Amino acid sequence: SQQGEEDPQALSIQEGENATMNCSYKTSINNLQWYRQNSGRGLVHLILIRSNEREKHSGRLRVTLDTSKKSSSLLITASRAADTASYFCATAGNSGYSTLTFGKGTMLLVSP
Amino acid sequence: DSGVTQTPKHLITATGQRVTLRCSPRSGDLSVYWYQQSLDQGLQFLIQYYNGEERAKGNILERFSAQQFPDLHSELNLSSLELGDSALYFCASSVGLGRVETQYFGPGTRLLVL
Repeated sequence: SQQGEEDPQALSIQEGENATMNCSYKTSINNLQWYRQNSGRGLVHLILIRSNEREKHSGRLRVTLDTSKKSSSLLITASRAADTASYFCATAGNSGYSTLTFGKGTMLLVSP
Repeated sequence: DSGVTQTPKHLITATGQRVTLRCSPRSGDLSVYWYQQSLDQGLQFLIQYYNGEERAKGNILERFSAQQFPDLHSELNLSSLELGDSALYFCASSVGLGRVETQYFGPGTRLLVL
């Protein structure tokens, strides 16, 4: 299985601090994506990083990918209370179609 | 708002019953995906359709079936419901079939089986 596993399961920080979440997976991938889910709602796509990329930025988000370690990290800088949500990594394999395998997520709580 | 709509938002039913969940993808998207999210299993991929044809199957039970219609909307049918089928069911859509695709998720249908 190439299911991503996020670490930590839960993270509690203060506004203004940075939040780092990690994701590990088991087999080779075509790309890795990060999604965000506010409580009980649909997932929102944040960023996609391809297997030949090492780092990608989008606003306050920074994603890294280390294919040799089969791991990725999501960094949210200068966090805000509105960043409180669950964050999931999802991997797309090299075979088959565009199905994604999701990890169990990291629950982030940002306190004012 | 992702542009993906799902109905109903909530569904409460009894064991042994059958329900149908409906999804309308974003305008222009040809792929529809169904996911089940529960506390113990996390987010599980169920099935994918592309332009009316089944393209990929995940952890979908035989009691569950889906289809995508010519207007591209999709329905997920759940039958002989069990307590363990209680979960959030999400539909997602994407433009095509490629692996480098962003999936856009609907708000979900919360199913409670009593």
